[in-house]
Amino acid sequence: TQLLEQSPQFLSIQEGENLTVYCNSSSVFSSLQWYRQEPGEGPVLLVTVVTGGEVKKLKRLTFQFGDARKDSSLHITAAQPGDTGLYLCAGPDQTGANNLFFGTGTRLTVIP
Amino acid sequence: NAGVTQTPKFRVLKTGQSMTLLCAQDMNHEYMYWYRQDPGMGLRLIHYSVGEGTTAKGEVPDGYNVSRLKKQNFLLGLESAAPSQTSVYFCASTLARAGTQYFGPGTRLLVL
Repeated sequence: TQLLEQSPQFLSIQEGENLTVYCNSSSVFSSLQWYRQEPGEGPVLLVTVVTGGEVKKLKRLTFQFGDARKDSSLHITAAQPGDTGLYLCAGPDQTGANNLFFGTGTRLTVIP
Repeated sequence: NAGVTQTPKFRVLKTGQSMTLLCAQDMNHEYMYWYRQDPGMGLRLIHYSVGEGTTAKGEVPDGYNVSRLKKQNFLLGLESAAPSQTSVYFCASTLARAGTQYFGPGTRLLVL
């Protein structure tokens, strides 16, 4: 099983603060995806990182793929209440099966 | 463009009852997936399909059956519901292996 461990599990911060959440594995992944899930809805893709060391920015969100392609981080600058949600990382099954493995997620609450 | 839709949105079952959850997508995607989401467990894959007429087991297939008779529909069946199957069920579809997964809004199932 290619586990994806996310930390922290829960995070509650004030509006305007910065934060980083992590997605770690002992397995190498060809790519990693980050999804955000808002209450009562399904997850929505934020970004896919495919190259070791790659950094992608999406407005105030910065995603990094580790050099060894075993981990990834998501940094949010000046968090806003609209950033509240469950952040999930996911990676493709490296055995060749046609599915993704999802991490357990980080539940972020941004307090106004 | 409706994307991925799920029916029903919420259901209460008694132990031993059966039901079928319907997932429909209008994006002509080949791959479809059923997940369950439980607190602290992230998304766990139940079954998936790589095309019309095909199905495969995921991480937690026991107690569930699936069918993909039409490309746009993926059905998840519970033959004899158990309280352990109380969960939120998400369907997803994707055009290509390890591509962006598009999720439905979820079905909340409570088994008493």
